[in-house]
Amino acid sequence: DTGVSQDPRHKITKRGQNVTFRCDPISEHNRLYWYRQTLGQGPEFLTYFQNEAQLEKSRLLSDRFSAERPKGSFSTLEIQRTEQGDSAMYLCASSLVSGLASNEQFFGPGTRLTVL
Amino acid sequence: DQQVKQNSPSLSVQEGRISILNCDYTNSMFDYFLWYKKYPAEGPTFLISISSIKDKNEDGRFTVFLNKSAKHLSLHIVPSQPGDSAVYFCAASFPNYMEYGNKLVFGAGTILRVKS
Repeated sequence: DTGVSQDPRHKITKRGQNVTFRCDPISEHNRLYWYRQTLGQGPEFLTYFQNEAQLEKSRLLSDRFSAERPKGSFSTLEIQRTEQGDSAMYLCASSLVSGLASNEQFFGPGTRLTVL
Repeated sequence: DQQVKQNSPSLSVQEGRISILNCDYTNSMFDYFLWYKKYPAEGPTFLISISSIKDKNEDGRFTVFLNKSAKHLSLHIVPSQPGDSAVYFCAASFPNYMEYGNKLVFGAGTILRVKS
């Protein structure tokens, strides 16, 4: 299977703990995105990488959130001092973008975070 | 502010009939529109897309129509099958050269139930 993979699929943590999620994009894709989805809503953009450079960050991404894509391949999303409001599905997507053309983004299965 | 709206939370259709899912947007700078399907516990799966320079795109049973003057798009599924039962998300993106270009802005989704 050469799709986007995410690990773990589920994470339950206590408030105040740190958590880290991993995303492995489709190998030839140069862009990697993180989204967050809460119940009854569509995914909301958090941040994206062009190769290893983090180019955009949403206002939703507070200082407790940090994302990295150190070698332009996999990415990690860390949440420090988790709060109950962080409970959501965290989705990773990747795409192959060249020039000004828009491209479809392909999503992974997501990591469901529950903060107790 | 919700820039992409799906005003019907749910839709029920008989197998073999047409399913029509609607989506409205407010930002005229969007230049690319996509439909995704999502099953429970999975990430969104890309279905079909359309550029703002077109008014129709067809792929098998799926057709997307874009009415730029009305800022409205719709997804037609003909004939509908029980396996089409899922949540359908409409999404839009800005041109790549703009700030937040290529990030997807999602609607809240429509639950489609196809009855056999």
